[in-house]
Amino acid sequence: ELKVEQNPLFLSMQEGKNYTIYCNYSTTSDRLYWYRQDPGKSLESLFVLLSNGAVKQEGRLMASLDTKARLSTLHITAAVHDLSATYFCAVAVYNFNKFYFGSGTKLNVKP
Amino acid sequence: DAGITQSPRHKVTETGTPVTLRCHQTENHRYMYWYRQDPGHGLRLIHYSYGVKDTDKGEVSDGYSVSRSKTEDFLLTLESATSSQTSVYFCAISDATAPELFFGEGSRLTVL
Repeated sequence: ELKVEQNPLFLSMQEGKNYTIYCNYSTTSDRLYWYRQDPGKSLESLFVLLSNGAVKQEGRLMASLDTKARLSTLHITAAVHDLSATYFCAVAVYNFNKFYFGSGTKLNVKP
Repeated sequence: DAGITQSPRHKVTETGTPVTLRCHQTENHRYMYWYRQDPGHGLRLIHYSYGVKDTDKGEVSDGYSVSRSKTEDFLLTLESATSSQTSVYFCAISDATAPELFFGEGSRLTVL
């Protein structure tokens, strides 16, 4: 059974601090996705990582993928309150047509 | 934004009644998915479709059926709703040319 595990599940941090969210998965895949979800809203795509060693950055967020370790990280630099949301990672398998999600990391950035 | 419309967006029903959720896309994407979202579980795949009349089960398919008679429409049916099916349901689409999932706005279902 494929497992996608995120940690931490809850993260409360002060503005200006740095932190990393981890996403481990249990099967071979070269495609890893990060999504953001605000309360009561749908999921918004943040990053699509398509190969080993892929690194993408957008503003204060940077995502990376290590397919050998089956690990992706989402690094937050100098957090601001607007980043408060739930972040999900997802892995694509079976010819990249089935997507499995982690449980999500609820981030609360305190002013 | 990807053209994905879910209906209804909110529904309250009683145990034992049938419920159908509709997902309509205007992107002509081949793959369509139904997920449910529950606290502590993230998103779990219910069923997905890889073409007209081609569907397959996901992780939590018991109690659900799907149909896809046209490229643009993917229906999720609860034949006899139970309280454990109270959830937020998301439709998503993808395509071989666009290697990511695009989500609809979600449908909140409450089964009393």
